[in-house]
Amino acid sequence: DAGVTQSPTHLIKTRGQHVTLRCSPISGHKSVSWYQQVLGQGPQFIFQYYEKEERGRGNFPDRFSARQFPNYSSELNVNALLLGDSALYLCASSLGTGDLRNEQFFGPGTRLTVL
Amino acid sequence: GNSVTQMEGPVTLSEEAFLTINCTYTATGYPSLFWYVQYPGEGLQLLLKATKADDKGSNKGFEATYRKETTSFHLEKGSVQVSDSAVYFCALGGGGNKLTFGTGTQLKVEL
Repeated sequence: DAGVTQSPTHLIKTRGQHVTLRCSPISGHKSVSWYQQVLGQGPQFIFQYYEKEERGRGNFPDRFSARQFPNYSSELNVNALLLGDSALYLCASSLGTGDLRNEQFFGPGTRLTVL
Repeated sequence: GNSVTQMEGPVTLSEEAFLTINCTYTATGYPSLFWYVQYPGEGLQLLLKATKADDKGSNKGFEATYRKETTSFHLEKGSVQVSDSAVYFCALGGGGNKLTFGTGTQLKVEL
């Protein structure tokens, strides 16, 4: 079975541009979470979606938004890119929400570079 | 708010040495605790977890015990291998599926 997949693998953008990152969860998983991992740091929680509804939001500006589709895949959008948005963006999927005994499975990430 | 503090790296050990990576946390209530591992060029993988005080998580020779009295979840392994070289992240679970991670500890194991 395929794990969590993310696209694209790498992306280079310039300041002020917009970017869309995509994530496909493991089949049967209904929850998707997004994390930002700046080089040398631990991942920081951005959003969680479950059954197409936002269930959690981290301390990120409104330039960051996300959505989940009926097939449970998800997009993360970032507007007006800043140099500080350069990071590895990780997607994680799990069966459900609210019970952390449900293991979260992480994708390989999308490396975003903002020039 | 929730936070995780783990020892800075890199930690360099010889093969078969004993490993300890310290992790302490600050949280309200009694969160679940996790260790994740990130091998070079790969995504995060769950290594082990503990969901309540005094629980011991274990996997692949690694162990960690949830210590409520010291708010700690230190990672240990009795004999490391070169293949254990990776970055290790301590994390705690919050509301929903939110995980709060530490900054990571790089482990290098040499022959």
